[in-house]
Amino acid sequence: DAGITQSPRHKVTETGTPVTLRCHQTENHRYMYWYRQDPGHGLRLIHYSYGVKDTDKGEVSDGYSVSRSKTEDFLLTLESATSSQTSVYFCAISESGTGRGGGYTFGSGTRLTVV
Amino acid sequence: QQPVQSPQAVILREGEDAVINCSSSKALYSVHWYRQKHGEAPVFLMILLKGGEQKGHEKISASFNEKKQQSSLYLTASQLSYSGTYFCGTEKSGNQFYFGTGTSLTVIP
Repeated sequence: DAGITQSPRHKVTETGTPVTLRCHQTENHRYMYWYRQDPGHGLRLIHYSYGVKDTDKGEVSDGYSVSRSKTEDFLLTLESATSSQTSVYFCAISESGTGRGGGYTFGSGTRLTVV
Repeated sequence: QQPVQSPQAVILREGEDAVINCSSSKALYSVHWYRQKHGEAPVFLMILLKGGEQKGHEKISASFNEKKQQSSLYLTASQLSYSGTYFCGTEKSGNQFYFGTGTSLTVIP
């Protein structure tokens, strides 16, 4: 694969519990992103990072937080999971902030179910 | 903020052609195209950086009309392997990028 892995691949959790998803890259790319994918909505940006400890919100950031303490790792935390957060979560990496260096490379995704 | 894609879904027979359109209400600085097969991650196809630019990728090509704030993806002589959902993505200033809602393409024998 292209040097980006997500874990876990699948997770079922209960409403109200915190959940952390991990994205790990070996490409040394500066930019990392978390997207969620839902039917009818396509891919929507949750948070992104433009360097270690540098993060910013995307269009659907409520209920999510992120951290990036190392270049290779970008963590997404659902502080108190709700059923509306049931989704497929994709991490993506890019050399440039807008993907001009060759587009975004996506991880395989995490399917999260909140019951 | 999301670009709008049309059509939402299309079914083709092998060998037929298709066009997928992507338009934005805001100025486009660049346009990306991705393909996602069922259960898999989106895969980058191509990027168009300038108005009027056209690019090709096998039998898949795209154009970018900066003035009309739209891009089109052309699939010619479609193959079964072209089936999937196609997404356009558009650049917004400040390191943000927005994807369209996708176009489902099904190629049947």
